[in-house]
Amino acid sequence: EAQVTQNPRYLITVTGKKLTVTCSQNMNHEYMSWYRQDPGLGLRQIYYSMNVEVTDKGDVPEGYKVSRKEKRNFPLILESPSPNQTSLYFCASSFQQGPEAFFGQGTRLTVV
Amino acid sequence: GIQVEQSPPDLILQEGANSTLRCNFSDSVNNLQWFHQNPWGQLINLFYIPSGTKQNGRLSATTVATERYSLLYISSSQTTDSGVYFCAVYTGGFKTIFGAGTRLFVKA
Repeated sequence: EAQVTQNPRYLITVTGKKLTVTCSQNMNHEYMSWYRQDPGLGLRQIYYSMNVEVTDKGDVPEGYKVSRKEKRNFPLILESPSPNQTSLYFCASSFQQGPEAFFGQGTRLTVV
Repeated sequence: GIQVEQSPPDLILQEGANSTLRCNFSDSVNNLQWFHQNPWGQLINLFYIPSGTKQNGRLSATTVATERYSLLYISSSQTTDSGVYFCAVYTGGFKTIFGAGTRLFVKA
């Protein structure tokens, strides 16, 4: 089954404690990206990757890091989480930018 | 950067009614997609529609790229259509910009 898998689905953490949210896709897609969703703001792109070892900033990259060492995986790293990073996070993948994008089920992160 | 505006922000329908959701964008874009986020938070791709018209069952979409807008039509609405509808545009620089969404509630 074609899917994008994020883990964990829910996470509560404390300010400053490094965390990683994993994202994996099984469709051999080149393009992957991370979004955060906040009430009234829709989804905002954090980082995207056009292929292995090729990443770039989206609209809200501050406080986040990513890596793309393998085609299937695109982890999101918060080196020192802060309460303003409390949000719902989505990972997405597609063969090209845009068409037939598949989304993961989301990770709800709370930073206290 | 490109601005994406969706209207209306909220919409309440009686089951069986029709509706039109609008997405305006401020500059030329490469591609445009419509998504539905169901009440459980899952995001589903509805249409990839950089221009022209597409239909899928009770849903259809039209994008007029030269006038920088797209419309999503929902006919004979059902309670399962409830959720948030997003349009997303794709710029030449590989960035993706989402609108703030239209929240739809369909009453039984």
